[in-house]
Amino acid sequence: DIVMTQSPDSLAVSLGERAAIRCKSSQSLLYSLDRKNYLAWYQQKPGQPPKLVISWASTRQSGVPDRFSGSGSGTDFTLTINSLQPEDVAVYYCQQYYNTPNSFGQGTKLEVK
Amino acid sequence: EVQLVQSGAQVRGPRESLTISCKGSGYSFTDYWIAWVRQMPGKGLEWMGIIYPGDSDTRYSPSFQGQVSISADNSIKTAFLHWGSLKTSDTAMYFCARGLSGTLSPFFLDYWGQGTPVTVFS
Repeated sequence: DIVMTQSPDSLAVSLGERAAIRCKSSQSLLYSLDRKNYLAWYQQKPGQPPKLVISWASTRQSGVPDRFSGSGSGTDFTLTINSLQPEDVAVYYCQQYYNTPNSFGQGTKLEVK
Repeated sequence: EVQLVQSGAQVRGPRESLTISCKGSGYSFTDYWIAWVRQMPGKGLEWMGIIYPGDSDTRYSPSFQGQVSISADNSIKTAFLHWGSLKTSDTAMYFCARGLSGTLSPFFLDYWGQGTPVTVFS
């Protein structure tokens, strides 16, 4: 099974500053035939279900602000939030969908400093 | 509008059985996977398993294999998560979510249910 490890576990960033969350997989998520990375990022606010933010490592979902971006390939990925806004406070999870079980990272709690 | 509506909160005792449900609407129910995800109090997301209603292909995480069973009834566009014998450690929020069928594996989860809280009291 693929193990997903996020860092840091928690992060405090000032409003207007940049936040970066890393995700590392125990094996490559890059599929050779389509050259796509099978990685997603989710945002979960308190009392709510998770919300898909990024798929294919870097494709922003419709309606997601462009201050959110995803990067990386293979085993190392980053979710970057530019110019942090109060509504971005949440727990963020990465998930691989390269194979089942489609494991999640342990989550990163993002707070305002 | 795509919606996944889950059944309501449940309270049970240890060793009791339980089935919770997830009803899909606004899309072709048999063309997408339905995953179940556990979130224990104050903890992260755990992928439990997934079913493809189109052919009933079902896959489980090793951590949950034999502990729960996943099924679907296409006639009522509903997926189910069943426990035969609950434990206090099953106390958690359970989410269902939709995944598109992919080449290697079910894809990312694009729509989520509201969650079903399950409490197993000792």
